[in-house]
This record gives sequence, structure tokens and C-alpha cells, in this order.
Amino acid sequence: GQSLEQPSEVTAVEGAIVQINCTYQTSGFYGLSWYQQHDGGAPTFLSYNALDGLEETGRFSSFLSRSDSYGYLLLQELQMKDSASYFCAVLSGAGSYQLTFGKGTKLSVIP
Amino acid sequence: EAGVTQFPSHSVIEKGQTVTLRCDPISGHDNLYWYRRVMGKEIKFLLHFVKESKQDESGMPNNRFLAERTGGTYSTLKVQPAELEDSGVYFCASSLPPGQGTGELFFGEGSRLTVL
Repeated sequence: GQSLEQPSEVTAVEGAIVQINCTYQTSGFYGLSWYQQHDGGAPTFLSYNALDGLEETGRFSSFLSRSDSYGYLLLQELQMKDSASYFCAVLSGAGSYQLTFGKGTKLSVIP
Repeated sequence: EAGVTQFPSHSVIEKGQTVTLRCDPISGHDNLYWYRRVMGKEIKFLLHFVKESKQDESGMPNNRFLAERTGGTYSTLKVQPAELEDSGVYFCASSLPPGQGTGELFFGEGSRLTVL
């Protein structure tokens, strides 16, 4: 089966940097995605890593190490609006192209 | 371009009743997924359509849940009869095949189901 581990909660100060780690176990791995969800609304796509390394998109960066089955989401210059739940998700081809989510990390940004 | 739309946004029913949720994916997206989030827990996979075919329904909890995607366009998820533990938010998502994009799933706003 597939499993993902990420911290349940993180608190950080406005303007700071925060890193949310994700480790996974899966077969047929294609890539690791990150999604943001505000107040139970529609999860929105942040990033996708299929290859090792760091992908940067504005204030957000995502890293993947396939050999370590590990990735992280890095949020810089935190803003209050970044308070949300962040989910790592593995795209795998075991059976079908399925996206399996972690349990989510609730990020609270404080002044 | 319209995103993924879901209907209804919120449904309140009594235990034993039937509810049908509808999802309209982004035009041209052959892949359609149903997920649900129960009691603030993780977003759990229910099933995956490729066009009108069920590619993977391993996440369907039991035979009270029936999903269809006739014609490969919109999809419905029927819960019959509904139980209290079915309460949660049901998300639909659509995507291009992994090789044609970034692996991004486009999610709808979800259908909140409350079973009393």
C-alpha cells in the first residue's frame, strides 16, 4: 500500500520561513505534489516534483529526493494568508494513476 | 475556462435516505477522481474514472456507494442508504494524464454531506 507522513501542525511567525516535511512509501512512484486547502475548501495545487531537486515558484519551493522517499515544501516570507492546511500527495501508477494524500499539516501563521 | 463544478454544495439528509452528488470535470479531462474528507481527517481516495471506465475503485467504502460516468463527461456519486458515518465533504477532481501535464489535479469546491 501507500503511506505518507507529515507533521500535523506547524506554527510560524509572519515573515519567517517554514519547512513542511513529507516522507512516503509507495510503489509505482511518479511524483510528489503539494496542495493547499483553506478552511475545508477546494484543495489547490502548489507544486509537483517528478525529479530530484528543488522547484521554486515565487515564495514557495518544493524539494524531492526519490532515493530517500522524502520531500518538503518551503514557504518563505510567510504571510497571514498562508495559514491553511498543506497536503503532500504521491502520484503513483500502481493500478491506476492515483493521487494519495497525506493527512495534512495545519500551518498557523502568527503576527 | 470553467473549472470543476460540483452540485450540491451542501446536502442535509436523514439516515437511510439517498443522495446523489454530481461532478462536472474540466472539458477535455479524461481522468476524474472522487475523494472525501471525513471529520477533518485526511483526504481519502474513493475512485478514479478514465473516460467512462472505472480505472480504480479500491477506495469505495462499501456497496452503498455507486459512482457512474456515463458518456465519459459528468459523474455522479450516489449514496444509498446513507449512514451517519458518511457525513463529510466529497471532492471531485479532474486531470490530464500524468504524461501530459504537471500531475495537477483540479479540484471542485466539494459537496458537503450531512447525515442526521
